[in-house]
Amino acid sequence: GAGVSQTPSNKVTEKGKYVELRCDPISGHTALYWYRQSLGQGPEFLIYFQGTGAADDSGLPNDRFFAVRPEGSVSTLKIQRTERGDSAVYLCASTRSGANVLTFGAGSRLTVL
Amino acid sequence: GENVEQHPSTLSVQEGDSAVIKCTYSDSASNYFPWYKQELGKRPQLIIDIRSNVGEKKDQRIAVTLNKTAKHFSLHITETQPEDSAVYFCAAVSGSARQLTFGSGTQLTVLP
Repeated sequence: GAGVSQTPSNKVTEKGKYVELRCDPISGHTALYWYRQSLGQGPEFLIYFQGTGAADDSGLPNDRFFAVRPEGSVSTLKIQRTERGDSAVYLCASTRSGANVLTFGAGSRLTVL
Repeated sequence: GENVEQHPSTLSVQEGDSAVIKCTYSDSASNYFPWYKQELGKRPQLIIDIRSNVGEKKDQRIAVTLNKTAKHFSLHITETQPEDSAVYFCAAVSGSARQLTFGSGTQLTVLP
């Protein structure tokens, strides 16, 4: 696609529920990143994919968070047993292999009540 | 890991004046330093970047300077306009890591 697409744009859920956030990167971009942005803060790194594999998942806060990219294109961020502290905007970004310039999606705003 | 600090957190300037935002980084292996602009409710967008083999880069009213010895870099916006009002983030990428580490952001307000 022309840009990085993220769905849903907004998600409201209750504490303890499971959520999935989807990212469709720019066509041909092999690297895909997930970031989390809390109000008034800079984006915080979660996980980075090169192709289908997670090259670096050191930013995932705990084992409730998991992400997949089974075919090397679309990625899904999965959050189990959501907590109120998970409320944030989840940003996805992609780039060509070997490049540093990230193109961000519009984000998925997650609110956990 | 990399740590990026950004100052000031808020900055107000009169239209037409210059604005300067400063960042420091901790990892001497960092070699790429982008700046992103984020308008309210929008995605971060790259406005300028610099690599460690140059000291300064300009693009119209925007410039970035890098001091590798001191491990700091700055964003300079000249002849500011109301549409420059936004949150600006600096970031750094080290040679070993692939992810950007962001600063905490600067809310720039350009007063008409």
